[in-house]
Amino acid sequence: DTEVTQTPKHLVMGMTNKKSLKCEQHMGHRAMYWYKQKAKKPPELMFVYSYEKLSINESVPSRFSPECPNSSLLNLHLHALQPEDSALYLCASSQRQSYGYTFGSGTRLTVV
Amino acid sequence: KNEVEQSPQNLTAQEGEFITINCSYSVGISALHWLQQHPGGGIVSLFMLSSGKKKHGRLIATINIQEKHSSLHITASHPRDSAVYICAVSHSRLTFGEGTQLTVNP
Repeated sequence: DTEVTQTPKHLVMGMTNKKSLKCEQHMGHRAMYWYKQKAKKPPELMFVYSYEKLSINESVPSRFSPECPNSSLLNLHLHALQPEDSALYLCASSQRQSYGYTFGSGTRLTVV
Repeated sequence: KNEVEQSPQNLTAQEGEFITINCSYSVGISALHWLQQHPGGGIVSLFMLSSGKKKHGRLIATINIQEKHSSLHITASHPRDSAVYICAVSHSRLTFGEGTQLTVNP
């Protein structure tokens, strides 16, 4: 298995909802990443997990809460989001931090 | 000045043309990545380079470490090559260029 799988592919949520994005890989990669991408812009790093520990938080608002329950799974919990949080959320993994990335196909999030 | 600069920003070609996209960077890197993104879609990693040249099908990527420059070439371009091509460099993290929007017309 050489893929990063993200679910759901599309999500529409209200500003008072709580939802979660899921990312899974079975390549034995020990670093996993969340990126946010707005239209016609490059991805922006949000969080990095290395060996299941949070190693980088790019000053992301607390309404985004990452979780890494095990080495194959990465979640992003969403609560009280704003319409400006609507974006494509990409997950990636790598063998170790900053080396050999594999990206998922993303979750298209719309906040209404 | 951005750490990763790509040119051109937009490129339109006719089917069959040879295409070159350039990337320059200003930081020390462990590797350079060429990525492809179709509209509304996820990112596909095309190449990871730390030196020299790599070829995969009609795609060729080169890097000159001394010049801090890389190029992505597409031979015999096809409309299905239409996508955004992104150069990214690995140092403490992955830093992305702004991307090149490629449109190949039939």
